[in-house]
Parts: sequence; structure tokens; C-alpha cells
Amino acid sequence: DQQVKQNSPSLSVQEGRISILNCDYTNSMFDYFLWYKKYPAEGPTFLISISSIKDKNEDGRFTVFLNKSAKHLSLHIVPSQPGDSAVYFCAASARSSGSRLTFGEGTQLTVNP
Amino acid sequence: KAGVTQTPRYLIKTRGQQVTLSCSPISGHRSVSWYQQTPGQGLQFLFEYFSETQRNKGNFPGRFSGRQFSNSRSEMNVSTLELGDSALYLCASSPDRGDTEAFFGQGTRLTVV
Repeated sequence: DQQVKQNSPSLSVQEGRISILNCDYTNSMFDYFLWYKKYPAEGPTFLISISSIKDKNEDGRFTVFLNKSAKHLSLHIVPSQPGDSAVYFCAASARSSGSRLTFGEGTQLTVNP
Repeated sequence: KAGVTQTPRYLIKTRGQQVTLSCSPISGHRSVSWYQQTPGQGLQFLFEYFSETQRNKGNFPGRFSGRQFSNSRSEMNVSTLELGDSALYLCASSPDRGDTEAFFGQGTRLTVV
């Protein structure tokens, strides 16, 4: 079963506007959530994370929001830049499962100049 | 601080052969996880090693195995290669807790012909 889902395979936005990437999860044991950015043939690069005890975490242009009751998280990128174009993966972990990450399918973000 | 190093970057093997991939984690990180990325299945967890012990295992056949050495370096082995094993194999290192981010290497691209 797909415990972490990213329902939008792709997203296209204009430079300077906000990009919003969404992620849903089903496993209530997940207590830590991460976003990674990935270019083809490279490893994922960590962007930002959030613990289940918080509902928001900011780092520069990136903000992650967590809605535990809806089992939903989102990544906001403001303002979007062409260099942000990549595949974004949502991932989740449970403290009881060590460092194991469960990934969503990814969303291809394209930021147009 | 040096990042996660995976060797080799590219590998071509024939069906039926076996292969060994190597991963050197970030200094001080004791957890090493392996993931397989394919176009159809996304990023799938293979296994995690912590202090030379397998702490977690994903849903892969026994042909996939791994180990970790006392210096935290890890290897994964795939025996009796199949065409479907062609994938990007990614190694991630993290400190000993599940609520911290994992850092990925650039991956090993394995092609089975």
C-alpha cells in the first residue's frame, strides 16, 4: 500500500509566484516528515523537515505545513525561481522504525522564467 | 565535512551475475540506509544498518543483502541479477535517531543486460 502519496505528478508555476506541493499520508505512526529535491541521476537533497509536534517550519523561501488531523503536509516555495525546477519528494518516518524513510511518488516542479 | 560517497557511480552487469555496491557515510553517522529508485516504483527502502546490525528491512527478495563495517561503511550485494534490478541505488546516512534528516549520496546507476 502507498502510505505516502503525492497526487500531483507535475506542477508548473511562473517565476516569482508561489509553488505549493502537497503530500498525504495514511500511517498514524509517522512522526517526522521531510521534503527532498532531486535532479535526474543524482541523490535527493534535503530541503526542510517538520516534527509531528509542530504545524509549521520555515527556512528561507521554504515553508512546510503539517495538518495532523488531515494527515496532510505541504511545501510552499516563495518566491519560486527557475533553479527550483526539479522533482520534489515528500518522505515520512516513524521513530519506531529507525531511519527508514517512506517516500511519495514525487512531483515534477517547473518554474518558468 | 565530506558528504556521502557511493562507488561506483555506474555499473553494467549481465543477468545472473552478482554485484557489490559501496557506501561511505558522513563522518559520525552510524545509520546507513539503502534505497532503490526505478521509474515505475519510485524510491523504495531496501534496508538499514546501524552499528553493524540490520535494524530494518524492506520488501525485497533475499537476493538483496547488505552489511556494515565497524567504521560505518556499508556494502550492498545483489546476487543472480535480473533485468528488473536495473535501477539507481541510493545510500543515505543519518545520526542514530529516526527524527533527523538523512543525507543521500549521488547513487550508483546499475544496468543489467
